[in-house]
Amino acid sequence: QVQLVESGGGVVQPGRSLRLSCAASGFTFSSYGMHWVRQAPGKGLEWVAVISYDGSNKYYADSVKGRFTISRDNSKNTLYLQMNSLRAEDTAVYYCARVGTTVTVLEYFHHWGQGTLVTVSS
Amino acid sequence: EIVLTQSPATLSLSPGERATLSCRASQSVSSYLAWYQQKPGQAPRLLIYDASNRATGIPARFSGSGSGTDFTLTISSLEPEDFAVYYCQQYGNSPLTFGGGTKVEIK
Repeated sequence: QVQLVESGGGVVQPGRSLRLSCAASGFTFSSYGMHWVRQAPGKGLEWVAVISYDGSNKYYADSVKGRFTISRDNSKNTLYLQMNSLRAEDTAVYYCARVGTTVTVLEYFHHWGQGTLVTVSS
Repeated sequence: EIVLTQSPATLSLSPGERATLSCRASQSVSSYLAWYQQKPGQAPRLLIYDASNRATGIPARFSGSGSGTDFTLTISSLEPEDFAVYYCQQYGNSPLTFGGGTKVEIK
């Protein structure tokens, strides 16, 4: 079955960096677009970034553009999110999510990881 | 950016009752709308995609309808495990956006 396992969260000071990972299994990782979605404590869901199946196309929310970088290593079945210049408002649970089909990256989120908490605080 | 407005914010119902949740888009998203259920401490779970298609393993009491700008998620008869927060999400336009959520609570 599809499994997505995030790691790399923790407490970090404002202005510092953190890299999240998402290990995928149970499907052909290299065939699917992958997303990061976040949820601030007690708040709703916010889409963060997406990467195409081969890494050639990447899109970001305005709130993270220029600070976050999404990438993937298909040989390792792993998705990444490099987060630089972190701010207090980036505090959230970060989920990786797989799209429903191999047709497009702009789609619904068929499978979700359990999430990893990032806390930006001095 | 397409704004999704969910109503009501909170729905207080008893088990066995029918729940009707609304999601309105600021512009047309065709049928590119999904619904998710989220319970405390858990990741969201896909319920409905393409406005009316149930995801694998989702009980038949969940149904979605609508197109364009107005969408509805209906739970025909609430089970105890259905009390949760529900989000709609559009994928008709970039950036992908979510509604603010509707909490279905036990009355």
